[in-house]
Amino acid sequence: QVQLVQSGGGVVQPGRSLRLSCAASGFIFRSYGMHWVRQAPGKGLEWVAVISNDGSNAFYADSVKGRFTISRDTPKNTLYLQMNSLTTEDTAMYYCAKAFQAAVGTPPDSWGQGTLVIVAS
Amino acid sequence: SYVLTQPPSVSVAPGQTARITCGGDNIETKSVHWYQQKPGQAPFLLIYYDSDRPSGIPERFSGSNSWNPATLTISRVEAGDEADYYCQVWDRDSDRWVFGGGTKLTV
Repeated sequence: QVQLVQSGGGVVQPGRSLRLSCAASGFIFRSYGMHWVRQAPGKGLEWVAVISNDGSNAFYADSVKGRFTISRDTPKNTLYLQMNSLTTEDTAMYYCAKAFQAAVGTPPDSWGQGTLVIVAS
Repeated sequence: SYVLTQPPSVSVAPGQTARITCGGDNIETKSVHWYQQKPGQAPFLLIYYDSDRPSGIPERFSGSNSWNPATLTISRVEAGDEADYYCQVWDRDSDRWVFGGGTKLTV
């Protein structure tokens, strides 16, 4: 079955960087797009970024564009989210999710357990 | 940017039918996906492409998007259905995914 094991969260100061990882197993990683979605404490879901199966297409929410980069390492079956210039507004639980199909326009259908990012001085 | 509007809360008695709406400009031209999230848990896909159910999702859960707003219908509601529900669409015009604000279902 699909497994997405997340790591890399923690407490970071404003302006600093953090990289999240999502190790995938149980499916053919190179065949599916991947998403990052976040949820601030007590708030709703906010889509962050999506990448196509082959990494050729990636799109971002306006709130993170230019600061965050989604990427994937196919041999390692791992998805990443590089987060730079963090602000307190980025404090949230971050979820990685497998897309339904290869393309960026397909929805998340399996989710990781989440990793908490707290941006505070 | 594209906006999806959901009621903040819906309350229903056990055994009754709950309907959760998701409104957006010309939403009937988009594919709507629905997620359930219980406290402390990750979301999971409940309905995709308007009305399809992933394997393992009971038939009590159904979706429609023939007119605005799109609707998630939960028949014969159970206490275990108490959760937050989110709709989501892909906005082709902006190449962005959009979530609704979420609806808390109280049973």
